[in-house]
Parts: sequence; C-alpha cells; structure tokens
Amino acid sequence: ETGVTQSPTHLIKTRGQQVTLRCSSQSGHNTVSWYQQALGQGPQFIFQYYREEENGRGNFPPRFSGLQFPNYSSELNVNALELDDSALYLCASSRQGGAEYNEQFFGPGTRLTVL
Amino acid sequence: GENVEQHPSTLSVQEGDSAVIKCTYSDSASNYFPWYKQELGKGPQLIIDIRSNVGEKKDQRIAVTLNKTAKHFSLHITETQPEDSAVYFCAAVGQLTFGSGTQLTVLP
Repeated sequence: ETGVTQSPTHLIKTRGQQVTLRCSSQSGHNTVSWYQQALGQGPQFIFQYYREEENGRGNFPPRFSGLQFPNYSSELNVNALELDDSALYLCASSRQGGAEYNEQFFGPGTRLTVL
Repeated sequence: GENVEQHPSTLSVQEGDSAVIKCTYSDSASNYFPWYKQELGKGPQLIIDIRSNVGEKKDQRIAVTLNKTAKHFSLHITETQPEDSAVYFCAAVGQLTFGSGTQLTVLP
C-alpha cells in the first residue's frame, strides 16, 4: 500500500509569484485535505476536496485554490505569494463516505520558502 | 470556529519517566480527538485517538483521557524512551483543528 506522497520536497519562490504543489493520495482514499504549518505551529486547515469538489475551507484567502483529479490526486495553487506564505504544506488523505470522521494520513509535506 | 490550546510547549523528561500533555477545546460539538506525533522532516502521524463517548483509551505505553464536561483531554506516555522525542499535537474534530504542539525531549 503506497502512502501519501507530495512533490516537490522543497521550493523557493519570490514574492508575487505563483506556485503549484502536488499530492497523491493513499490507495483507496477519496478525500484530500491541505494544511499550512508555519514554523513552530500546528497545521492549519486550508481546504478539503471530496469527489473533485471543495468540501470545506479554512480561513484562507481566495488566492489559495485547489483541484482534485479523477484519480483522487490533488493540487494546491497559491497566487501572488507573500512572505508569510513561507511554511510546510501538508496534504492528508482519507476515505470519506459515512457520517463518522475517518483518520487522515499525512504526507511528508512541501517546504515553501518565499523570498 | 474551534480553538484548541495545548500545554506545555516544551517538555523534557528523563528516560523511564512519564510525560503528560494537556489540551482544551472550545467547541462542544467536537466529538473526535486524535493525537499526532511529528518527527523532523515528516508529516504528523496518528498515535492514538478517542471519541466523545469514551473517557479513556490506552494503547501500550500511551493513554488518552477525555473530560467532555470540562472540555479537556490529555495524552499520557509512560516509561518514556529516547525514540519518543518528537513534537506532539492534539487535535479536535468537527473540522480537524490542531493545537500548537509540544516538543517532547526524552533525556537518556
């Protein structure tokens, strides 16, 4: 069973640029969630995708957007990068379908540095 | 929205001693409380969880307690080992909301 994978591992961008981060979900999982983890902080929920639709969003501006593909992989896009966007971006996959919350499995993250 | 507070932010214990990390949450609708361990360069990994209809759960050296009335939950690690050194996060679900983390260091 393949776990959650993310690419790239590290990325350096300059302020104002755009970035795309990628996530492959664990086999059998149909839901992907994205989190931003600033240094020394807990992960903060950005949004979740289920069946290729956004299924919940945290307190992040519209320049944070995403996609989920038919194979359940996902992308996180951030436009007009700001210095405060520097963080570890985590992707987590799970199998949703019932009323009860299901465990999320996290990838290793992408470290984004904005200069 | 949900707010989760976690204490302490750093914790050092001698190998073999116990470690306790405490969290409080604000949303009484939260009904699932996972604990994650994050090692350097890795994503968080679930180590134990508890649902709101249970007061205590134990898995070998790790236990979690939940007081829904007081909105408190705690992680207990007994007989700590150097490999337990990591950052630990509590979380509460409604929407998965994390605490700010505890850096646990187990001194040999």
